[in-house]
Amino acid sequence: EIVLTQSPATLSLSPGERATLSCRASQIISSRLAWYQQKSGQAPRLLIYDVSNRATDIPARFSGSGSGTDFTLTISSLEPEDFAVYYCQQSSKWPWTFGQGTKVEIK
Amino acid sequence: EVQLVESGGGLVQPGGSLRLSCTVSGFTFSKYWMSWGRQAPGKGLEWVANIKEDGSTKNYVDSVEGRLTISRDNDKNSLYLQMNSLRAEDTAVYYCAVSRIAYYFDLWGRGTLVTVSS
Repeated sequence: EIVLTQSPATLSLSPGERATLSCRASQIISSRLAWYQQKSGQAPRLLIYDVSNRATDIPARFSGSGSGTDFTLTISSLEPEDFAVYYCQQSSKWPWTFGQGTKVEIK
Repeated sequence: EVQLVESGGGLVQPGGSLRLSCTVSGFTFSKYWMSWGRQAPGKGLEWVANIKEDGSTKNYVDSVEGRLTISRDNDKNSLYLQMNSLRAEDTAVYYCAVSRIAYYFDLWGRGTLVTVSS
């Protein structure tokens, strides 16, 4: 099983700041990596797929990058609605797995 | 409007059974892989199982293999999860999700809570 390790566990930032979230895989994976946002009490929402493609209606301030085992989600300038938990997910190898999540909280 | 609505959750004793349903609308159900995922209270996300468009291929995470069974009825636009031999560690919100973007969960339902406890 591919283990995805996200860091940091919690990111404390102010609106307007840049957020950089990391996801490291336990083995080299293909480009089948996604990022999801989950707000409290809500279902997850797909943000990024295939490392760097934004899903429908996702603002341009969200971007993804990386390759091999190291991947990054960047939020260029945090909006109030961006404070949430973010998960990476791989579909390169069964079973598909998620990281444990990074909480982006208001500083 | 695209919608996925789960139902069937509740409280069940260890060793018991439950059947979850997910009814979809707003897209052509029969064209896409479908999945069940779950989230234990206060924990992260876990993919549980998925099923091919025609139901011919199913995949499961090891921890549920042989106990949970995914199925679908394309005529009823519905996805199911038959849950047998339930354990305390199966307690979670169960979500159905569609893969209109291959290999990913591009839309999720709001989830249904399953609690396994005596």
